[in-house]
Amino acid sequence: GQQLNQSPQSMFIQEGEDVSMNCTSSSIFNTWLWYKQDPGEGPVLLIALYKAGELTSNGRLTAQFGITRKDSFLNISASIPSDVGIYFCAGQLKSTSGTYKYIFGTGTRLKVLA
Amino acid sequence: EAQVTQNPRYLITVTGKKLTVTCSQNMNHEYMSWYRQDPGLGLRQIYYSMNVEVTDKGDVPEGYKVSRKEKRNFPLILESPSPNQTSLYFCASSQGAGGYNEQFFGPGTRLTVL
Repeated sequence: GQQLNQSPQSMFIQEGEDVSMNCTSSSIFNTWLWYKQDPGEGPVLLIALYKAGELTSNGRLTAQFGITRKDSFLNISASIPSDVGIYFCAGQLKSTSGTYKYIFGTGTRLKVLA
Repeated sequence: EAQVTQNPRYLITVTGKKLTVTCSQNMNHEYMSWYRQDPGLGLRQIYYSMNVEVTDKGDVPEGYKVSRKEKRNFPLILESPSPNQTSLYFCASSQGAGGYNEQFFGPGTRLTVL
Protein backbone atom coordinates (compact mmCIF):
# COMPACT_ATOMS: atom_id res chain seq x y z
CA GLY A 1 0.00 0.00 0.00
CA GLN A 2 0.94 3.64 -0.21
CA GLN A 3 2.91 5.34 2.54
CA LEU A 4 4.51 8.68 2.98
CA ASN A 5 8.26 8.99 3.52
CA GLN A 6 8.65 10.80 6.81
CA SER A 7 11.97 11.87 8.30
CA PRO A 8 13.66 11.74 10.62
CA GLN A 9 12.42 8.53 12.24
CA SER A 10 13.38 9.77 15.68
CA MET A 11 14.96 12.78 17.31
CA PHE A 12 16.49 13.53 20.67
CA ILE A 13 16.71 17.25 21.31
CA GLN A 14 17.37 19.60 24.18
CA GLU A 15 14.56 21.65 25.64
CA GLY A 16 14.42 25.02 23.92
CA GLU A 17 15.72 23.78 20.57
CA ASP A 18 13.78 24.03 17.34
CA VAL A 19 12.65 20.87 15.57
CA SER A 20 11.98 20.20 11.91
CA MET A 21 10.49 17.14 10.24
CA ASN A 22 9.19 16.51 6.76
CA CYS A 23 7.17 14.21 4.56
CA THR A 24 7.47 13.42 0.89
CA SER A 25 5.33 11.41 -1.47
CA SER A 26 5.22 10.28 -5.06
CA SER A 27 1.51 11.15 -5.10
CA ILE A 28 -0.17 14.54 -5.20
CA PHE A 29 -2.38 15.32 -2.24
CA ASN A 30 -5.16 17.87 -1.94
CA THR A 31 -4.78 18.14 1.83
CA TRP A 32 -1.81 17.65 4.15
CA LEU A 33 -2.30 17.01 7.85
CA TRP A 34 -0.01 16.82 10.85
CA TYR A 35 -0.93 14.79 13.94
CA LYS A 36 0.64 14.16 17.31
CA GLN A 37 0.21 10.93 19.25
CA ASP A 38 0.86 10.81 22.98
CA PRO A 39 1.69 7.45 24.57
CA GLY A 40 -1.38 5.24 24.94
CA GLU A 41 -3.67 7.56 22.99
CA GLY A 42 -4.93 8.12 19.50
CA PRO A 43 -3.50 10.80 17.21
CA VAL A 44 -4.72 14.37 17.57
CA LEU A 45 -4.75 16.86 14.71
CA LEU A 46 -2.24 19.70 15.01
CA ILE A 47 -2.37 21.50 11.68
CA ALA A 48 -4.27 21.07 8.41
CA LEU A 49 -3.08 22.49 5.08
CA TYR A 50 -5.37 22.88 2.09
CA LYS A 51 -3.50 24.78 -0.62
CA ALA A 52 -0.14 24.34 -2.30
CA GLY A 53 2.34 26.79 -0.83
CA GLU A 54 0.22 27.42 2.24
CA LEU A 55 2.12 28.20 5.45
CA THR A 56 0.12 27.80 8.65
CA SER A 57 0.99 28.29 12.30
CA ASN A 58 -0.56 26.96 15.49
CA GLY A 59 1.28 28.40 18.48
CA ARG A 60 4.86 27.14 18.32
CA LEU A 61 4.05 24.90 15.38
CA THR A 62 4.44 25.92 11.75
CA ALA A 63 3.70 23.71 8.75
CA GLN A 64 3.85 24.20 5.01
CA PHE A 65 2.14 22.52 2.06
CA GLY A 66 4.76 22.06 -0.65
CA ILE A 67 4.35 23.79 -3.99
CA THR A 68 4.45 20.48 -5.85
CA ARG A 69 1.71 19.12 -3.48
CA LYS A 70 3.97 16.14 -2.87
CA ASP A 71 5.62 17.26 0.35
CA SER A 72 5.13 19.06 3.63
CA PHE A 73 7.18 20.05 6.65
CA LEU A 74 6.46 20.73 10.30
CA ASN A 75 8.56 22.96 12.53
CA ILE A 76 8.32 23.17 16.30
CA SER A 77 10.03 26.16 17.87
CA ALA A 78 11.46 26.32 21.39
CA SER A 79 10.61 22.73 22.26
CA ILE A 80 9.33 21.85 25.74
CA PRO A 81 9.12 18.47 27.50
CA SER A 82 5.42 18.01 26.68
CA ASP A 83 6.27 18.04 22.95
CA VAL A 84 7.45 14.44 23.39
CA GLY A 85 5.45 11.99 21.32
CA ILE A 86 5.10 10.64 17.81
CA TYR A 87 4.32 13.06 15.00
CA PHE A 88 2.60 11.84 11.87
CA CYS A 89 2.04 13.51 8.56
CA ALA A 90 -0.94 12.43 6.50
CA GLY A 91 -2.20 13.17 3.05
CA GLN A 92 -5.75 13.00 1.83
CA LEU A 93 -6.55 11.54 -1.57
CA LYS A 94 -9.72 11.40 -3.58
CA SER A 95 -10.00 7.89 -4.93
CA THR A 96 -11.19 6.98 -8.42
CA SER A 97 -14.55 6.02 -6.91
CA GLY A 98 -14.98 9.51 -5.49
CA THR A 99 -14.35 8.57 -1.88
CA TYR A 100 -11.69 10.11 0.33
CA LYS A 101 -8.87 8.10 1.85
CA TYR A 102 -5.91 8.95 4.05
CA ILE A 103 -2.27 7.97 3.73
CA PHE A 104 -0.08 8.37 6.81
CA GLY A 105 3.64 8.75 7.23
CA THR A 106 5.72 6.34 9.27
CA GLY A 107 6.05 8.82 12.13
CA THR A 108 8.77 10.86 13.82
CA ARG A 109 9.39 9.96 17.45
CA LEU A 110 10.43 13.06 19.37
CA LYS A 111 12.13 13.01 22.73
CA VAL A 112 12.94 16.24 24.53
CA LEU A 113 15.69 16.30 27.11
CA ALA A 114 15.12 18.77 29.90
CA GLU B 1 -18.73 14.43 26.00
CA ALA B 2 -18.03 14.14 22.28
CA GLN B 3 -15.96 11.05 21.70
CA VAL B 4 -15.12 7.96 19.73
CA THR B 5 -15.23 4.78 21.80
CA GLN B 6 -13.75 1.40 21.01
CA ASN B 7 -14.24 -1.96 22.68
CA PRO B 8 -12.44 -3.91 23.80
CA ARG B 9 -9.32 -1.89 24.57
CA TYR B 10 -7.19 -5.01 24.85
CA LEU B 11 -7.77 -8.46 23.37
CA ILE B 12 -5.70 -11.62 23.22
CA THR B 13 -7.10 -14.33 21.00
CA VAL B 14 -6.06 -17.38 19.01
CA THR B 15 -5.71 -17.93 15.30
CA GLY B 16 -9.00 -18.50 13.51
CA LYS B 17 -11.36 -17.37 16.26
CA LYS B 18 -13.70 -14.75 14.83
CA LEU B 19 -13.75 -11.44 16.63
CA THR B 20 -15.37 -8.03 16.38
CA VAL B 21 -14.00 -4.71 17.58
CA THR B 22 -16.74 -2.17 18.06
CA CYS B 23 -16.49 1.54 17.31
CA SER B 24 -19.08 4.13 18.19
CA GLN B 25 -19.19 7.92 17.90
CA ASN B 26 -21.67 10.34 19.43
CA MET B 27 -20.96 13.32 17.17
CA ASN B 28 -23.33 12.44 14.33
CA HIS B 29 -20.35 12.11 12.00
CA GLU B 30 -20.75 10.82 8.49
CA TYR B 31 -17.18 9.60 7.84
CA MET B 32 -15.72 6.72 9.85
CA SER B 33 -12.52 4.81 9.38
CA TRP B 34 -10.35 2.03 10.76
CA TYR B 35 -6.56 2.10 10.95
CA ARG B 36 -3.89 -0.25 12.16
CA GLN B 37 -0.64 0.99 13.65
CA ASP B 38 2.52 -1.09 13.51
CA PRO B 39 6.05 -0.14 14.61
CA GLY B 40 7.95 1.56 11.82
CA LEU B 41 4.91 1.57 9.53
CA GLY B 42 2.81 4.35 11.00
CA LEU B 43 -0.94 4.19 10.54
CA ARG B 44 -2.47 2.39 7.61
CA GLN B 45 -6.10 2.74 6.64
CA ILE B 46 -8.02 -0.54 6.56
CA TYR B 47 -11.55 0.49 5.57
CA TYR B 48 -13.49 3.70 5.57
CA SER B 49 -17.10 4.70 5.27
CA MET B 50 -18.22 7.96 3.69
CA ASN B 51 -21.73 7.45 5.11
CA VAL B 52 -24.10 4.55 5.83
CA GLU B 53 -24.40 3.83 2.12
CA VAL B 54 -20.78 4.01 1.00
CA THR B 55 -17.89 1.94 2.33
CA ASP B 56 -14.56 1.51 0.59
CA LYS B 57 -11.26 -0.27 1.03
CA GLY B 58 -8.23 1.48 2.40
CA ASP B 59 -4.68 0.37 1.80
CA VAL B 60 -4.70 -2.83 3.87
CA PRO B 61 -8.21 -4.37 3.78
CA GLU B 62 -7.21 -8.03 3.41
CA GLY B 63 -8.48 -10.18 6.27
CA TYR B 64 -10.95 -7.56 7.55
CA LYS B 65 -14.60 -6.77 7.09
CA VAL B 66 -16.63 -3.79 8.20
CA SER B 67 -20.28 -2.92 8.55
CA ARG B 68 -22.07 0.44 8.63
CA LYS B 69 -25.71 -0.31 9.34
CA GLU B 70 -26.22 2.88 11.31
CA LYS B 71 -24.41 6.19 11.37
CA ARG B 72 -22.92 5.97 14.85
CA ASN B 73 -21.37 2.47 14.68
CA PHE B 74 -18.64 1.02 12.50
CA PRO B 75 -17.50 -2.41 13.76
CA LEU B 76 -14.34 -4.09 12.48
CA ILE B 77 -14.67 -7.83 11.94
CA LEU B 78 -11.85 -10.35 11.71
CA GLU B 79 -13.45 -13.55 10.43
CA SER B 80 -10.34 -15.69 10.88
CA PRO B 81 -7.61 -13.76 12.68
CA SER B 82 -3.98 -14.58 12.01
CA PRO B 83 -0.82 -13.58 13.91
CA ASN B 84 0.05 -10.94 11.30
CA GLN B 85 -3.07 -9.06 12.40
CA THR B 86 -1.53 -8.48 15.81
CA SER B 87 -1.53 -4.69 15.95
CA LEU B 88 -2.89 -1.53 17.54
CA TYR B 89 -6.18 -0.56 15.93
CA PHE B 90 -7.75 2.88 15.84
CA CYS B 91 -11.21 3.97 14.82
CA ALA B 92 -11.74 7.56 13.71
CA SER B 93 -14.64 9.73 12.65
CA SER B 94 -15.20 13.13 11.07
CA GLN B 95 -18.18 15.28 10.15
CA GLY B 96 -17.57 14.69 6.48
CA ALA B 97 -14.84 13.66 4.11
CA GLY B 98 -12.46 15.86 2.24
CA GLY B 99 -11.35 19.36 2.96
CA TYR B 100 -12.08 20.90 6.30
CA ASN B 101 -13.10 17.86 8.27
CA GLU B 102 -11.00 16.92 11.28
CA GLN B 103 -10.77 13.24 12.14
CA PHE B 104 -11.20 12.35 15.81
CA PHE B 105 -9.55 9.14 16.91
CA GLY B 106 -10.64 6.61 19.48
CA PRO B 107 -8.31 5.40 22.26
CA GLY B 108 -7.15 2.32 20.38
CA THR B 109 -7.55 -1.45 20.68
CA ARG B 110 -4.46 -3.56 21.18
CA LEU B 111 -5.01 -6.95 19.58
CA THR B 112 -2.74 -9.96 19.96
CA VAL B 113 -3.38 -13.06 17.86
CA LEU B 114 -1.54 -16.15 19.06
